[in-house]
Amino acid sequence: NAGVMQNPRHLVRRRGQEARLRCSPMKGHSHVYWYRQLPEEGLKFMVYLQKENIIDESGMPKERFSAEFPKEGPSILRIQQVVRGDSAAYFCASSGGQRGTEAFFGQGTRLTVV
Amino acid sequence: KQEVTQIPAALSVPEGENLVLNCSFTDSAIYNLQWFRQDPGKGLTSLLLIQSSQREQTSGRLNASLDKSSGRSTLYIAASQPGDSATYLCAVVQTGANNLFFGTGTRLTVIP
Repeated sequence: NAGVMQNPRHLVRRRGQEARLRCSPMKGHSHVYWYRQLPEEGLKFMVYLQKENIIDESGMPKERFSAEFPKEGPSILRIQQVVRGDSAAYFCASSGGQRGTEAFFGQGTRLTVV
Repeated sequence: KQEVTQIPAALSVPEGENLVLNCSFTDSAIYNLQWFRQDPGKGLTSLLLIQSSQREQTSGRLNASLDKSSGRSTLYIAASQPGDSATYLCAVVQTGANNLFFGTGTRLTVIP
């Protein structure tokens, strides 16, 4: 029973390029969360999605960032026109959905913008 | 706005010692509290989940307590081992929300 799978593990992009981060939740989980961890800082919530729906994107920057969780395939976090400040570790978590259920995290994608 | 604080930020103990990590949160209206472990450059591993109606949870050498009314949780690690060295994070799911609010963690070093 594979856990939460994120890829790539490491991603290097030049300023102005696009970054696409993928997350496959645990089997049977239909709720996905994205978090960002800046160097020496805690994890900050970005967005919560269910299949084909964005439930809460209150933590997502208004520009350049978008997320989706299609009916088929992984959840995608997309960052357009990346800047140096986007360099961080991006973590995906999944849960069975109901509030109060345990969240399981992937290994993260470490984005470096050069 | 929910704020989660973890004290101390860093802790070093000799192998074999019992230790306590602290977590406090400002808004006691929570669904649950979860403790995680994060190794350098790695993801988060869930250690214990305590529902708001529970007082404590145990797993092996780990015991987590929750005092919701005072906004506090502790993670007790018995007979610490060098392999316990990691950053320990606590996080809460606030009532009416779906996401976790994280503390900044306690970096634990167990010295052989």
